[in-house]
Order: sequence, then C-alpha cells, then structure tokens
Amino acid sequence: DSGVTQTPKHLITATGQRVTLRCSPRSGDLSVYWYQQSLDQGLQFLIQYYNGEERAKGNILERFSAQQFPDLHSELNLSSLELGDSALYFCASSVRQGGSPLHFGNGTRLTVT
Amino acid sequence: GNSVTQMEGPVTLSEEAFLTINCTYTATGYPSLFWYVQYPGEGLQLLLKATKADDKGSNKGFEATYRKETTSFHLEKGSVQVSDSAVYFCALIGGGATNKLIFGTGTLLAVQP
Repeated sequence: DSGVTQTPKHLITATGQRVTLRCSPRSGDLSVYWYQQSLDQGLQFLIQYYNGEERAKGNILERFSAQQFPDLHSELNLSSLELGDSALYFCASSVRQGGSPLHFGNGTRLTVT
Repeated sequence: GNSVTQMEGPVTLSEEAFLTINCTYTATGYPSLFWYVQYPGEGLQLLLKATKADDKGSNKGFEATYRKETTSFHLEKGSVQVSDSAVYFCALIGGGATNKLIFGTGTLLAVQP
C-alpha cells in the first residue's frame, strides 16, 4: 500500500460530460502529480502541485484542470469528455517538489462511452 | 528535452531464467533514475532507484546500475519467478525545482512456469 488514495476506482460516463477525480496524498507529502495512462500514449505527465500551488504542467488539455486544497488533497476535473479521454488516471505524491521518489495510487479508470 | 527509451516487449521467459530489460536515457545535468513496476490491475510501485553515477539500486532480487558513460540503467534479475510478471517502467527525474517523472514506454514481462 503506497498510502496514496484515489477515488473512485472506476468511472463510466458519456461524451460531453464532466467528472472529478480525487486524490489524497501520503501523510506528510506536500507534492501531488497527475498522470494519464493510455494504450496509445503510455504514461503522460499532466500536472504537478506543491503545497497548493501549481509547479509544473505537462500534456494537459485545456478541458482538464486540477487543484490542490489546503488539506493537500487534489482533484482533477475533466470536462467536455471525449471518447479519447478514456484512460487510467494516476495520482502520485512525494515529500518534496524535487529529487524525491513518487508514490502512486492505484488509479481511476475512466471510460467514456 | 529529457527522455527515456526502453526495450519493447513483451519479454517472455521461463521461470528461473535471467532477465535483462534495457533502458537508456537522454538528460541534461545529472538525473535520478528509477524502475517502477505495475502488476495487473494495480498502480505503479517504486522498485529501485539510483541518484548518481555508478550507484546500484537493488530490491527483491532486481538490480540496476546508473551508467553515465553509456547513459543506461538496465534492469537485471538473476532468476525470475512467475510472480515477477508485470509491466516494468524505466523513468527519470531531471532535477531542478520540479519533480516531474518522465517514463519510458514500459516493458511487459511474462514469466512462464
């Protein structure tokens, strides 16, 4: 058990809808990361937050947004969903914002129909 | 930019065979290198890491040595088990203020009894 909790485990929704994925980092970790894993793109970094502030952005679409709250949990919001957004979304956390290993949650599997 | 290249799978081995999964990287400066493992239906788990040249990371019988001269971090295990069947990801963190982990495409290992 990595200590990173993601909810829900599975999500099935229709195109055009909006969903929110939630992540609770390991106790004591200040940094949260979101990754998307799909068959054709592999593991893609989306965004990183450190202690509530955005630190780095990757291949995150404009339809997607994220935030980290004062209690350090994070949410990833996906809107105007398309079939191609179907993927496994992972959250990870680390103690610092640089140089420390990431610990991953078990992911949320999103299916857009 | 920073990148990781690892051998394509699947790699199919018999139990007790020797395993090598090749990984090379491109990075400026002195990255930290990692191997993560993803078992079916689970998230990514940190398997081992190395933070400077000539460091050897090891865990659960797996080893990898940080070779700066060949920019490589090959994963090895002397005797694989069926329970090692999983997808293995080589990854790096390029350093600096962000902890963005850059992954290779992953190598599926299938160990047959």
